[in-house]
Amino acid sequence: GAGVSQSPRYKVAKRGQDVALRCDPISGHVSLFWYQQALGQGPEFLTYFQNEAQLDKSGLPSDRFFAERPEGSVSTLKIQRTQQEDSAVYLCASSFNGGNTEAFFGQGTRLTVV
Amino acid sequence: AQSVSQHNHHVILSEAASLELGCNYSYGGTVNLFWYVQYPGQHLQLLLKYFSGDPLVKGIKGFEAEFIKSKFSFNLRKPSVQWSDTAEYFCAVNGKGTYKYIFGTGTRLKVLA
Repeated sequence: GAGVSQSPRYKVAKRGQDVALRCDPISGHVSLFWYQQALGQGPEFLTYFQNEAQLDKSGLPSDRFFAERPEGSVSTLKIQRTQQEDSAVYLCASSFNGGNTEAFFGQGTRLTVV
Repeated sequence: AQSVSQHNHHVILSEAASLELGCNYSYGGTVNLFWYVQYPGQHLQLLLKYFSGDPLVKGIKGFEAEFIKSKFSFNLRKPSVQWSDTAEYFCAVNGKGTYKYIFGTGTRLKVLA
């Protein structure tokens, strides 16, 4: 596709429910990132993939958060047993090859946990 | 600690006014610097980037930024803003050869017609 695509755009989950957020990166981009953006804040790093390898998951806030990119393209961020503090916009970005190349961002998924 | 500070959280300007948004960073090592813009309802888009070379960088839509290494700053400027520049602006840094972007908290710009 022309850009990074994320779905759903909006998700309301009841506390304790599991959710899965999808990211379709730009075709051919090796690097994929997930960021979390709380209200009034800048995006905060969650995790990084190079192809299918998850090279850094240091930003994942708890073991309830899990990300995968099994074929080196589409990625899914899963949050188990959602809590109210998980409410945020989850941004996906991709770049040709990390490092010194520009990252392109998707529109994000706004997750609201009630 | 690695961080990016954007001191202006909200800025209101009239059309044709000049703009300068401050960005200071703290990072051990050489860096790449970025300004991203988010128009209402849209995704983050790159305005401009600095990797190396001329510290005065020109971006899209008439924006420019100057990297001042001694001040750890990368301020964004535009000589004459338009109503369509109303958006949120984020400064970001990553270390050379690394992948992790560190973002500031953003500046909401409102331009009055």
